[in-house]
Parts: sequence; structure tokens; C-alpha cells
Amino acid sequence: GAGVSQSPSNKVTEKGKDVELRCDPISGHTALYWYRQSLGQGLEFLIYFQGNSAPDKSGLPSDRFSAERTGGSVSTLTIQRTQQEDSAVYLCASSLGGQGLGGNTIYFGEGSWLTVV
Amino acid sequence: DQQVKQNSPSLSVQEGRISILNCDYTNSMFDYFLWYKKYPAEGPTFLISISSIKDKNEDGRFTVFLNKSAKHLSLHIVPSQPGDSAVYFCAVFSGNTGKLIFGQGTTLQVKP
Repeated sequence: GAGVSQSPSNKVTEKGKDVELRCDPISGHTALYWYRQSLGQGLEFLIYFQGNSAPDKSGLPSDRFSAERTGGSVSTLTIQRTQQEDSAVYLCASSLGGQGLGGNTIYFGEGSWLTVV
Repeated sequence: DQQVKQNSPSLSVQEGRISILNCDYTNSMFDYFLWYKKYPAEGPTFLISISSIKDKNEDGRFTVFLNKSAKHLSLHIVPSQPGDSAVYFCAVFSGNTGKLIFGQGTTLQVKP
């Protein structure tokens, strides 16, 4: 596709259930980012994948959160045993590369809106 | 520890006047600074950026100013238009980590 694609666009889940959020980056982009925006909050960095390097997981808020990127393309963010405070919009972004290209090549998807009830 | 701060959660401006959005950062090693704009129910879109070697970058109605000694970034929109009403995020990019770090955002409302 032309842009970053995320699915599902909306998800309502019961507390304690697991959820998976998917991101299809722009073709050829080696860098992929996950961010989260809670109501009234800014964009919170979660995890960053760059090529075949080990991902930067420093932003994951707890061990209930994990992410993987298969084949250097599609990424899945998994939240286990969801809690109400996990309710947020989860944004995926991709770029041609990380280092040296500046941040203006980073393109965002439209987000996956997660509501935990 | 918040590395990027936008201390004003909201700003209201009359159409035609100047909007000034501010951003402060803590790490002098950041080398690229950006502004993103976000409408409700949409992902952020890139607006304008500036490298650490410059102090001003202009693109149409949008100008970004960088004061490295004060670790301060600002976005000026002039003249402001109702379509500019959105949430504006400043962000810093670290070439060392490849990570983009965002501020909390400022909601701009431009009144007709």
C-alpha cells in the first residue's frame, strides 16, 4: 500500500484478554516504531525496530507488552492480560532508515484504537 | 523523566493572528527537531523540521525557530486559519538511537 496500514482500527476487549495489533509498514522501510497515545497524553514511545538489529524495547510499559517484526516487514504488538489503563490509540510508524536521515521521513499509520472494558 | 515538554496543553487564537507553540527539551545531543500535526481520529502528519545547525526554517505560513542555548523550539503559524486547529506535537530525533521522542502536544484552536 501507499502508506502505513494498521489493523484493527478499533478494538474493544474485556479486561484480562490478550490483544494483537498489526502494522504493515511502507514497503522498503527498514525502521518501524510503535507509539501509544492515551487520552489527554502525548505520544509515548514503545518500541523501535531497525533492520536486523535487536529492537529497542525501552519504552514498553510492562512485561505484558511485546512486539515482533517478521521478515523485516509486518509487525505485531501483543498486549497480554489487558488492563483498563491499556486503553489508548496505538500508532505505528515507519521510515526508510533511522540514523542520519532525520525524522521527517517517518510516516504514521492511522492507529488502532483499543478500549479495555 | 520527560525529555521533551510542551507546557501549554492548549492555545486559542483568532483567525489571521499569529499562533506560537513552544517546546523545551533537556538533551543538548538531540540533532533534529520536528513538528507534527494531528487531527482527531488520524495519525500524526509531518509539518516542518529543523536541523541543530540552523536556528530558523520557514515553509509558507509555518516557521520553526531553534534556540539551542535555551534548548527551546517554537513553531509560528501566521496568519492562522481555522483549518490549523489540531494537536501539535514537537519531537526530537536522536541520530544515535534513531528514536523520535514526542512532547505531550498542544491543542490549537483557531477561531473564525
